[in-house]
Amino acid sequence: QKEVEQDPGPLSVPEGAIVSLNCTYSNSAFQYFMWYRQYSRKGPELLMYTYSSGNKEDGRFTAQVDKSSKYISLFIRDSQPSDSATYLCAMSRGSNYQLIWGAGTKLIIKP
Amino acid sequence: DAGVIQSPRHEVTEMGQEVTLRCKPISGHDYLFWYRQTMMRGLELLIYFNNNVPIDDSGMPEDRFSAKMPNASFSTLKIQPSEPRDSAVYFCASSRQTYEQYFGPGTRLTVT
Repeated sequence: QKEVEQDPGPLSVPEGAIVSLNCTYSNSAFQYFMWYRQYSRKGPELLMYTYSSGNKEDGRFTAQVDKSSKYISLFIRDSQPSDSATYLCAMSRGSNYQLIWGAGTKLIIKP
Repeated sequence: DAGVIQSPRHEVTEMGQEVTLRCKPISGHDYLFWYRQTMMRGLELLIYFNNNVPIDDSGMPEDRFSAKMPNASFSTLKIQPSEPRDSAVYFCASSRQTYEQYFGPGTRLTVT
């Protein structure tokens, strides 16, 4: 079993919908939780990160961490076609530890 | 800043040839990572450096792969000899802390 599980999708939703992307993990030592976005033929870029538990909001994006359930989520409100990309979750035990990556979920926003 | 720079962007080579991929990290970043990405295996960490010193190379597939970081502004990933199964996109990333990585555009390697 992988340390980080993420459904590869694709997930297809209409423009304007609320999108929910999720990852589960098994290592309770993880402290940093990241969401990266990768457009086709580009490198991943950091979207948001959360330290420990709780929520973090940035514009249309909200990241949630539930350490008791070992579950993290990324919500996208008012989704746009430009949000179509692959979203990768990543986690680490600390600021000096390597990231453990999910497989990535391909998101398609239909106009 | 120009971001992480990788070269070449595309490389097509024949099986058995040596391949060298190059990376210039963002100035001031202490960490440098080499990743490989394929449809089948996703994003895999090959090796990472901290202050030019290799910290973890357990992801390097086999002895055909080697990586160096002779100074803070340059790193290479070498494959010798190359095989068709090495075909992938290779990313270099750099960061100040490991969680906030900045990725380069990648090198698309095709080995025939």
